[in-house]
Amino acid sequence: NAGVTQTPKFRILKIGQSMTLQCAQDMNHNYMYWYRQDPGMGLKLIYYSVGAGITDKGEVPNGYNVSRSTTEDFPLRLELAAPSQTSVYFCASSYKGTGNSPLHFGNGTRLTVT
Amino acid sequence: DAKTTQPPSMDCAEGRAANLPCNHSTISGNEYVYWYRQIHSQGPQYIIHGLKNNETNEMASLIITEDRKSSTLILPHATLRDTAVYYCIVRKPGGTSYGKLTFGQGTILTVHP
Repeated sequence: NAGVTQTPKFRILKIGQSMTLQCAQDMNHNYMYWYRQDPGMGLKLIYYSVGAGITDKGEVPNGYNVSRSTTEDFPLRLELAAPSQTSVYFCASSYKGTGNSPLHFGNGTRLTVT
Repeated sequence: DAKTTQPPSMDCAEGRAANLPCNHSTISGNEYVYWYRQIHSQGPQYIIHGLKNNETNEMASLIITEDRKSSTLILPHATLRDTAVYYCIVRKPGGTSYGKLTFGQGTILTVHP
């Protein structure tokens, strides 16, 4: 009963480096989301996907890219890491995009850019 | 999105009921009330949600006032493991927002022995 799995748990990047945060869910959910949480703050939506091949921007998409080639996976790409991207990143999924379908979250990737 | 207001912190004795209030006076008729919690930087954990009626599950109960302008999350027998930040969220039914969640500052609940 894995749910939403995120890897890696921790990562330190140098400015200008790139990386991909992995997210996989085994609940056959159509909708997937990426959020970031800065220290002491609430979560902010970066990107979301309503199904394989379909993605769209959230509130804070700059500096990130996503793809959704399968139902299960929704990787988040950072191309040129900046200190402002130091944050904890959470992936989530839901069966539907309607208000009656809860989001289920992974345990996050803690990223530091120095 | 409808704004929610929660007390920044609350205390509760272990074994007692924890009642966490939330004000959402601008909620629309078709928006849901959701509760999540976050324990020590883990991922947010879904607790419960409702539209108009009171709801209960194995974790908690949700009481929504008749005018829907406020709600209360009840943890019937709080344990030390319930110490967390609790978020009350008003969520649109869907459409272009695709039901996304907007997290505020939440309530820090501390359960004491």
